[in-house]
Amino acid sequence: DAGITQSPRYKITETGRQVTLMCHQTWSHSYMFWYRQDLGHGLRLIYYSAAADITDKGEVPDGYVVSRSKTENFPLTLESATRSQTSVYFCASSDLEPGANYGYTFGSGTRLTVV
Amino acid sequence: DAKTTQPNSMESNEEEPVHLPCNHSTISGTDYIHWYRQLPSQGPEYVIHGLTSNVNNRMASLAIAEDRKSSTLILHRATLRDAAVYYCILIFKWSRGARQLTFGSGTQLTVLP
Repeated sequence: DAGITQSPRYKITETGRQVTLMCHQTWSHSYMFWYRQDLGHGLRLIYYSAAADITDKGEVPDGYVVSRSKTENFPLTLESATRSQTSVYFCASSDLEPGANYGYTFGSGTRLTVV
Repeated sequence: DAKTTQPNSMESNEEEPVHLPCNHSTISGTDYIHWYRQLPSQGPEYVIHGLTSNVNNRMASLAIAEDRKSSTLILHRATLRDAAVYYCILIFKWSRGARQLTFGSGTQLTVLP
């Protein structure tokens, strides 16, 4: 089905482990984003990508790594998970220049718990 | 960076109009005003956006003050399905030219039957 999908939907991992959250979109949107949502902070931008092989840091990038070898995929990796990275993670995408002419489309989120 | 201020919560009766306010007194001339809403356990959903003029779509209307320091999202007839957290967001340009959203805490809208 067309859209933006995130996997897994739920994940529990241990402190220190590496974990990768997947994001896939079927529209060939140029822009993709990763946000985390925590109580009291709203949504905060972790990383974004303007195109394949072009990524840039957001507001809270420490402890995260991204890659974008294909336009449709934008995985987010926690290199060594910490309890402070327990959060709900949302992936988003947008075509052309987001904001001016288009809104963003968000995935359903991944709830990550680090124990 | 420009920030937005919204009331933490609002209530409305079903089938009545709802006006959700947002203050953005430090908005710059190139910042777009976006509204999103988030239902429980779902990702944010785009509602509407604008720059200077009022905007209408099938979901809502957006009224932007002449000085652009505030805006109001208008739901013409609230339904129970409109109960959500509504975010007013400014989109500004980054150094590489891309724009990004900065979310605030949003307004929790409760719709009473």
